[in-house]
Order: sequence, then structure tokens, then C-alpha cells
Amino acid sequence: KQEVTQIPAALSVPEGENLVLNCSFTDSAIYNLQWFRQDPGKGLTSLLLIQSSQREQTSGRLNASLDKSSGRSTLYIAASQPGDSATYLCAAMNTGFQKLVFGTGTRLLVSP
Amino acid sequence: DGGITQSPKYLFRKEGQNVTLSCEQNLNHDAMYWYRQDPGQGLRLIYYSQIVNDFQKGDIAEGYSVSREKKESFPLTVTSAQKNPTAFYLCASSISVQEQFFGPGTRLTVL
Repeated sequence: KQEVTQIPAALSVPEGENLVLNCSFTDSAIYNLQWFRQDPGKGLTSLLLIQSSQREQTSGRLNASLDKSSGRSTLYIAASQPGDSATYLCAAMNTGFQKLVFGTGTRLLVSP
Repeated sequence: DGGITQSPKYLFRKEGQNVTLSCEQNLNHDAMYWYRQDPGQGLRLIYYSQIVNDFQKGDIAEGYSVSREKKESFPLTVTSAQKNPTAFYLCASSISVQEQFFGPGTRLTVL
């Protein structure tokens, strides 16, 4: 059974720092991995989708990497801004299923 | 404007009542999903549908029911059999196994 873990549960950084959020998964037979952002009381916003054949994806200041052999994905945020403050969730989709398995998220606070 | 809408935003249920949460999408996606989110826990899948008139149970389907009569709509009914329904409910859609897009959510509270 796939399990997805995100560490740390919370992270506080000053504005301008580059930071890395971690996501690990137990079953490497994934179809893709998706990173989301969630603001308090809101739905999820899709940030990046990495297919199993890809090593990384980039969108603006965000870069997500995927290493299936080690069961890890990272989300790199460059030059963080207070507007980046939110909870970041990763989710893995196993081959053969259409179900995403979610981690519990990392709550990020970027201080001005 | 393409997207996923959920209504209502807030819903209050009395003990023993059934309530229905609405989810509509105009993205022309075949697949639709219902998730439940509780504080400190990841999202958990309730039901999903890959095509009209077909749906499958997710990990926590007990006490819930769904229908998929139209491609655009995937309503979720929370029945009185669901013993702890207070949660944030999220609907999503996708093209097959690709990127999932989420609605704004419905917060259900049992009085």
C-alpha cells in the first residue's frame, strides 16, 4: 500500500530565502506525482505534475524533482515571498489506479 | 471560464439527516473524484468515476453515495450512516490519469 510522507510538517523562513520541501513515497511504481498548494479554507491549486519518466518540472520560481529509485520528490521554491505562505501537498498516483495518495502537507510561513 | 464549482460553501446537518453536496465541472473531463480532508490528515478518497454511469468506491466510501448521470456533474450524498461527517469535502476532475484539478470545497458541520 502506497504511503506518502512530507517532512517537515511546518517551516518558517524569512522572505528571499530559497527553500526545499520534501516528499517521500514507499512504492516506486508510480504513474506520476503532483504538487499542490492549499490556502486556508480553500481548495487545492495544482502547481506541478511530474510523469514517472521525467526527472523534474519547472514553473516560474518552482522546480519539482522526482527520484523513483529512492522514493523521493522535492519542491524547490526560489526567492520565497510572503505570498508563498500556504500548505504544500504532494500526491502520488500508482500505476494501474486512478487514485492519488496524499501526504499530510508542509505548512510554509514566509515572513516579510 | 473553465473550472470546477462546488456548492454550498458551508453546510450544516442535523443528526440523522442526509445531505447532498454538488460538484460541477465544465472542463470536459471524463474522471471525477470526491475527497475528504480532516485536520492533520491527508486527503482521503471517498468515490471516483472514470466515465458517465460508472463509479468506484475509494478508501472511505462507507456512509456516502454518489451518482454520475452527466459528464459534468458528480454529486455526493452524505447519509445518516456516516457517523463522523464533519469535514472539508473536495471535488476534483481530470483527463484520465493526468493532472487533477480541484474545486473550492464544501465545509460540512454536524449540529
